[in-house]
This record gives sequence, structure tokens and C-alpha cells, in this order.
Amino acid sequence: KNEVEQSPQNLTAQEGEFITINCSYSVGISALHWLQQHPGGGIVSLFMLSSGKKKHGRLIATINIQEKHSSLHITASHPRDSAVYICAVKMSGGGADGLTFGKGTHLIIQP
Amino acid sequence: ETGVTQTPRHLVMGMTNKKSLKCEQHLGHNAMYWYKQSAKKPLELMFVYSLEERVENNSVPSRFSPECPNSSHLFLHLHTLQPEDSALYLCASSQVAGARTEAFFGQGTRLTVV
Repeated sequence: KNEVEQSPQNLTAQEGEFITINCSYSVGISALHWLQQHPGGGIVSLFMLSSGKKKHGRLIATINIQEKHSSLHITASHPRDSAVYICAVKMSGGGADGLTFGKGTHLIIQP
Repeated sequence: ETGVTQTPRHLVMGMTNKKSLKCEQHLGHNAMYWYKQSAKKPLELMFVYSLEERVENNSVPSRFSPECPNSSHLFLHLHTLQPEDSALYLCASSQVAGARTEAFFGQGTRLTVV
């Protein structure tokens, strides 16, 4: 069982819809990352969270440490939001340990 | 542009070839990472360098050999690879200052082994 589980795996929605992507993890973490990967492979960091909620433009990320759960929301979705969204966690302990990743959610926003 | 640059972007190599992937960051970070992304699988950590010393090798086969000559550069030397090594190889960097440090990723090198 992967330590980081994302749902849904695939999501197709119409432009303008409110999008929610979920991430659950089973280990103690020090931080959780939401990443965006476009076709071609490059990855961009959207958020890094250790508690509460963060907002950047139309993107909102929340985390509940007690429930080991995080959500990424996209308001007023647009076709340019189409990408793979990846949840990744940094396990407790600090240092330069790398990230553990979910399998990603493939999002398609149709015009 | 994330500040982490990988070259080449695409690479096709035979199983007997030797090639190297390069990663460069000018963000002042002191930790660099190699990740592998195979089709239909999550990203997997391969190597971590912190302060130019290798701190983790996640049981990666010896046909992959990393090198970190300084805090800004990271290489992945490849030799006698197998077709199943075809994947996207991503480099990342971060600042090791406690646990809550953001990672910046390169664009990746798409490797095909024939």
C-alpha cells in the first residue's frame, strides 16, 4: 500500500467547475506538498503546507494533520489547469530526506 | 522557469552506451535530489545529496552513478542500462534548514533505452 494515496486518479470537468483533489497519508509528516506536472514532465511546486490553509489565486490547499488528509481545490477551473496534480509528503525527522509521492491525479478541464 | 535546469531534455541511448545527465541550480540550495518517474508509477527517490555528501541511496542499481562536485551541480552517470530504465528523470533542489523546505524541480530528462 502506498504511503500517499490520492483520489480521484482521473478527473474530467467542464470549464468553470469547482475542483477538489484529495490526498491521504499514513505516516507522520513534517510538510505536505502539492505539485503540478504538465505534459513534457516539468514539475512546479504549488503549495507547501504543515498546517491550516493556503490560497494562491484560484488555488486553495488545506491540511488536517490529525486526520492525515489534505485537499487541493481549484475554483473557476480553466482548460489551462489541465495537468497532473501530485501530492507529496516529507516525513517527520527533518534533514534532506526526499519526498514520498502519490500517484497523481490527471485533471482535464474541457472548454 | 524554476531555477533548476536539466540537460539534455531528451536522450536515447543503447544498452552499451555511457551517458550522463546534468542538473544545475542557482538558487543557493544545499541539497539536491534525483527522482525517477516511470509510466503509471509514483515518483521514486533515487539519490539525495546534502552539503555535497550523499546521504541516501534508495537501493538503486549500480548502473546509475551520481556525482555532486559542488552544491550547484548534480550529475547522474548512466552505463549498461536496461530498457526498463526508460523513464523521466527529475532533479530537484532544496535548502536544508529544518524540515519545512520547499523543493524546486527541473524540467526532467526523458530517457529511452533501446
